[in-house]
Amino acid sequence: SQTIHQWPATLVQPVGSPLSLECTVEGTSNPNLYWYRQAAGRGLQLLFYSVGIGQISSEVPQNLSASRPQDRQFILSSKKLLLSDSGFYLCAWSRGRMRNQPQHFGDGTRLSIL
Amino acid sequence: QQPVQSPQAVILREGEDAVINCSSSKALYSVHWYRQKHGEAPVFLMILLKGGEQKGHEKISASFNEKKQQSSLYLTASQLSYSGTYFCGTEPNSGGSNYKLTFGKGTLLTVNP
Repeated sequence: SQTIHQWPATLVQPVGSPLSLECTVEGTSNPNLYWYRQAAGRGLQLLFYSVGIGQISSEVPQNLSASRPQDRQFILSSKKLLLSDSGFYLCAWSRGRMRNQPQHFGDGTRLSIL
Repeated sequence: QQPVQSPQAVILREGEDAVINCSSSKALYSVHWYRQKHGEAPVFLMILLKGGEQKGHEKISASFNEKKQQSSLYLTASQLSYSGTYFCGTEPNSGGSNYKLTFGKGTLLTVNP
């Protein structure tokens, strides 16, 4: 069966510090991978998605970036965090290059910027 | 473009029914429904692909009216475990696909004893 791992679960960072969140998927190959952000009490905002190694599509211009160095690894980064970067970050995967596939979410990272 | 969900919030007593609607200004290829409990990740409920298609999941079912670009989620005889925020995610019916969904803002469902 497929599983998705996301870490850390909770993170407190000062303004201006760097960020690296990691997500890995097991049990499947060539998945589509997604990063979402959810502000408190709000909806799911798609930040980045990837359909293959090195292929990243950005949905929202901001100070975040994403990379996919391996088939089942997706990393969300920032060089300098802003207060507005606080939120609940979710990684998700779906079967690669296929329509009508559900997205499966990791447990999320709760990021607080001080 | 983000689909519109209604209502924004609903409060039920155990055993009551509820309907959550999701409408889009774009022609849709599919509609996905997810439930997110407080502090947890969203969990997939079902996908609807065809016009008029209706699917069920326990006492939760949904319909998809392709012509009206609308989907509705039906929760019957609600249970306490149904509490959470329900999101619809839509995939537009444009040529090809980029495999991404656009989610609505969510509907907060609270079921009380």
